Amino acid sequence: EIVMTQSPATLSVSPGERATLSCRASQSVSSNLAWYQQKPGQAPRLLIYGASTRATGIPARFSGSGSGTEFTLTISSLQSEDFAVYYCQQYNNWPPLYTFGQGTKLEIK
Amino acid sequence: QLQLQESGSGLVKPSQTLSLTCAVSGGSISSGGYSWSWIRQPPGKGLEWIGYIYHSGSTYYNPSLKSRVTISVDRSKNQFSLKLSSVTAADTAVYYCAREGSMAVFDYWGQGTLVTVSS
Repeated sequence: EIVMTQSPATLSVSPGERATLSCRASQSVSSNLAWYQQKPGQAPRLLIYGASTRATGIPARFSGSGSGTEFTLTISSLQSEDFAVYYCQQYNNWPPLYTFGQGTKLEIK
Repeated sequence: QLQLQESGSGLVKPSQTLSLTCAVSGGSISSGGYSWSWIRQPPGKGLEWIGYIYHSGSTYYNPSLKSRVTISVDRSKNQFSLKLSSVTAADTAVYYCAREGSMAVFDYWGQGTLVTVSS
């Protein structure tokens, strides 16, 4: 099983500032990496797939980068609605065994 | 707009079988190229993929749950289902159904349903 490790567990950032979230895979997942945003009481929402491609309707302030084992999600200028928990997920296995990171909580500083 | 809606028992006794259904609207579950997954999230914790059924009917399960999981599809009702047997308190979670799209990621989700395992 590929283990996904996210850091930090909690990130405190002020509105308008940049946030950088990290995700590391225990072995290479190529670019088969997605990011999701989850707000309290809601289902996760797909933000990024293929490590760097924004999903439909996702604002340009969200960007993803990386390949292999190291990935980053950057939110360039935090809006109030961006404070949430973010999960990375790899989809590199066959047969499929999709795994998620434990999440990074992005909170208002 | 595709919509997914979970339904089923919110309280299950230990050792019994958890049963949930996901109704799909706004699109056909038989559309080629998609698979239909169950994902769960214990209270306050992260996400765990349980398994999926492909549009062809093939299934793949998380090895950690494989011996207890069955995912099936009812094309006439445009829905798919999850059965998890021999449940324990560790199976208490919010259960989500989701579509795995053409890019092999979860692009549509249900709102989730909380299942509590307790006597």
